[in-house]
Amino acid sequence: EVVLTQSPGTLSLSPGERATLSCRTSQSTRSDYIAWYQQKPGQAPRLLMHGASNRAPGIPDRFSGSGSGTDFTLTISRLEPEDSAVYFCQQYSGSPRNSPQYTFGQGTKVEIK
Amino acid sequence: QVQLQESGPGLVQPSGTLSLTCDVSGDSINSAFWWSWVRRSPGKGLEWIGEVYVGGTANYNPSLMSRVIMSTEKSENRISLQLTSVTAADTAIYYCVRHIPINGQRGFDFWGQGSLVTVSS
Repeated sequence: EVVLTQSPGTLSLSPGERATLSCRTSQSTRSDYIAWYQQKPGQAPRLLMHGASNRAPGIPDRFSGSGSGTDFTLTISRLEPEDSAVYFCQQYSGSPRNSPQYTFGQGTKVEIK
Repeated sequence: QVQLQESGPGLVQPSGTLSLTCDVSGDSINSAFWWSWVRRSPGKGLEWIGEVYVGGTANYNPSLMSRVIMSTEKSENRISLQLTSVTAADTAIYYCVRHIPINGQRGFDFWGQGSLVTVSS
C-alpha cells in the first residue's frame, strides 16, 4: 500500500497569506493519479485538484497544485476566511485489473487567524 | 448537477451486516462508469472501501476485501454497499462518490453528504 504523508499537521495563517501544503508518497506516483480535497466540518470532501495541477470546476484560481514523483504541493496563494478546512491528498495505484488502490493522506488543517 | 444520496440504518449490531444504498440523480450511473464508497472514521481518516463498475465488476480495498460486496442497479440508478461481520472499528461516515469521468485521471468529483453508521449493541 502506498502511504501518503501530509505536512504540516496544522497551519495557522492570516487572511491574505500564502499556504503551502505538502503531500509525500511512499512510492513514485503518476501526477495523473494525485488529487486534493477540502473538507469543512459537517460537510463532505470537495474535489479541488485532479491530475496534481488541474483545478476542478468552480475552484478559485488562488488554489494551485504542483509536483511529481513522490512530492506534491497544494498552494493557496491568498488565504480567505472560507478556506479554513482540512485538506487531504489522495493517490491511486495499480489498475482496474490489477489490485487498484486509492489511499489518502491524514490531512492538513488550515486555520485562519 | 449530479447528486448522490446515501441511505441505510444508522445503527448496526456487532457481527452484523452494514447495508447502504446510494441514489444518483442528475445523471445516469452509466455516465461515469466507476463509482466508489469511501469512509471517514476518527481513527483512520479517509479510507477507500472499493469501486464498482456500472457493468457490475468490482474492486475492493485489500484490507476489507473479505467482507465487502458492492453492486449497481441500473434501472434504479443506484449503488449498493454491504459490509459483513462489522465491529466498532467500522463505525464511520460512509460516502458514495463518483469517479472523475476523464480518461487517465483518478479521483472523485462528486460526493454524497455521507451516512453515519455506528456499530454498537
